[in-house]
Amino acid sequence: GAGVSQSPRYKVAKRGQDVALRCDPISGHVSLFWYQQALGQGPEFLTYFQNEAQLDKSGLPSDRFFAERPEGSVSTLKIQRTQQEDSAVYLCASTVDRSEGYTFGSGTRLTVV
Amino acid sequence: DQQVKQNSPSLSVQEGRISILNCDYTNSMFDYFLWYKKYPAEGPTFLISISSIKDKNEDGRFTVFLNKSAKHLSLHIVPSQPGDSAVYFCAASRRSGGSNYKLTFGKGTLLTVNP
Repeated sequence: GAGVSQSPRYKVAKRGQDVALRCDPISGHVSLFWYQQALGQGPEFLTYFQNEAQLDKSGLPSDRFFAERPEGSVSTLKIQRTQQEDSAVYLCASTVDRSEGYTFGSGTRLTVV
Repeated sequence: DQQVKQNSPSLSVQEGRISILNCDYTNSMFDYFLWYKKYPAEGPTFLISISSIKDKNEDGRFTVFLNKSAKHLSLHIVPSQPGDSAVYFCAASRRSGGSNYKLTFGKGTLLTVNP
């Protein structure tokens, strides 16, 4: 596609529920990043993939967070047993090479009630 | 501890005047700096960047200045237009040492350009 596509755009989850957030990067983009943006804050790094390899997951806040990119294209960020502090916008970004000028998706706004 | 700081949450300027957005950083290992622009309900959009080997980079109406000794950078928009109204994020990365190009962002500055 023309841009990075994320779904769903909005997700309301009850505390304790598991959620899965999807990212479709731009076709051919090797690098894929996930960021978390809390209200009034800048995006914070969660994890990075180069093709299907997860090379950096240092930003994942707890073992309830898990990300995968099994075929090197679509990626899924899964959050188990959601907590209220997980409420945020989750942004996916991709780039064709190792460059910080990557393209962000519009994000998934997760609200945990 | 915030490594990238944007101390002004908001800035308001008149159309046609200069907008100056400021950013400070604390991590001396950062060697690449970027500005992103964000409209509501959209993801951030890359605007302009600068390497630490330079002190200025210009792209049309946008110029970024870097003062390494002060660990300070600024984004100048001249002339400002109403369509520039958005949240501007400063970001930094460390390219040396095999970095994966992850970014550390500031909290953002909301720029409002009044017609």
